[in-house]
Amino acid sequence: SQKIEQNSEALNIQEGKTATLTCNYTNYSPAYLQWYRQDPGRGPVFLLLIRENEKEKRKERLKVTFDTTLKQSLFHITASQPADSATYLCALDRAGTALIFGKGTTLSVSS
Amino acid sequence: DGGITQSPKYLFRKEGQNVTLSCEQNLNHDAMYWYRQDPGQGLRLIYYSQIVNDFQKGDIAEGYSVSREKKESFPLTVTSAQKNPTAFYLCASSMGAGTPNEQFFGPGTRLTVL
Repeated sequence: SQKIEQNSEALNIQEGKTATLTCNYTNYSPAYLQWYRQDPGRGPVFLLLIRENEKEKRKERLKVTFDTTLKQSLFHITASQPADSATYLCALDRAGTALIFGKGTTLSVSS
Repeated sequence: DGGITQSPKYLFRKEGQNVTLSCEQNLNHDAMYWYRQDPGQGLRLIYYSQIVNDFQKGDIAEGYSVSREKKESFPLTVTSAQKNPTAFYLCASSMGAGTPNEQFFGPGTRLTVL
């Protein structure tokens, strides 16, 4: 069955550094991958979507890469700020129906 | 304001009682979804609907039921058959299945069964 792993449950970095979060998947070839941000006690908020034929996508301080050979996506936040502290979820499409979500990585940015 | 609303935010029920969680959207989205989130866990799909009067089971549908009589509404009933119903429930919608659309989430309902 499809499996998605975000291999760091928690990541602690200092303000101004680049945070890099990893999402790996197996037994599947998704057409696209999405990243969401979730704050405690709230619903996730969509950040970025990247298609299988795209190597990289950028939005302001965010950058996502998608390597279909390695079956991996990397999510980068440059010049991180304490306000970036949250849980970040990656999600894969299920052949055009619903999404499969990873367990998330909780990022803490200290000032 | 366009968006998804879920009510109530907190819900307490006695064991053995059925309870219905509300989800309404005014985004004119065709697809709607219900997820369950437990501490330290990702979102697990309960049910989803791609169109009115049609819905499909997700990964953990046992003990739950849904209806989709209107495009705007997708209520979830947690039945007494659900073994461990205490969790954070999230409703989402998207423009439609079959396209890589972002999902918009509601604020969630935290259900506690006593």
